[in-house]
Amino acid sequence: EAQVTQNPRYLITVTGKKLTVTCSQNMNHEYMSWYRQDPGLGLRQIYYSMNVEVTDKGDVPEGYKVSRKEKRNFPLILESPSPNQTSLYFCASSLRVRETQYFGPGTRLLVL
Amino acid sequence: EDQVTQSPEALRLQEGESSSLNCSYTVSGLRGLFWYRQDPGKGPEFLFTLYSAGEEKEKERLKATLTKKESFLHITAPKPEDSATYLCAVHSSGTYKYIFGTGTRLKVLA
Repeated sequence: EAQVTQNPRYLITVTGKKLTVTCSQNMNHEYMSWYRQDPGLGLRQIYYSMNVEVTDKGDVPEGYKVSRKEKRNFPLILESPSPNQTSLYFCASSLRVRETQYFGPGTRLLVL
Repeated sequence: EDQVTQSPEALRLQEGESSSLNCSYTVSGLRGLFWYRQDPGKGPEFLFTLYSAGEEKEKERLKATLTKKESFLHITAPKPEDSATYLCAVHSSGTYKYIFGTGTRLKVLA
């Protein structure tokens, strides 16, 4: 089944404790992206990756890092999480930029 | 600056009562406009992609249209299972980013 998977689905952590949210797709997509979704603010793009060689910032990259060592994986790293990073996070992928993105099921993060 | 505005924020319809959702956009050059449906606690689910003004796409009770300034998602004779948040997103030329609107929460009452 073609899909985007994220792990973990739920995570509670404390301020400053490094964490990684994994994202994997099995559709051989070139473009991958991370979003956060907050009430009243909608989906905002954190980082995107055109392919394994190109990664760039979205609109809200502060406090986040990403890595694209393989085509199928695009982990999101929070080196020192803070409470304002409490949010619902989505990973998405598309065959290329400008084409339809397919979203993962989401990761709900609470930073205490 | 690229911008996407959706209206209304929320909409309540009776079953069978047709209506339209609006997505207005300001971009330097539209490369694609996307409609998604999102159920509570789930990831957005793709509905339509529109690339040029005048384009229309249809799927069951939904029809999406596109002009140079806005897109409409028309819902004909909605059913309670159409209740969800509908999201609009754009991709503009000169960027590799996507900009999403804040969505329209649709509730269809039986």
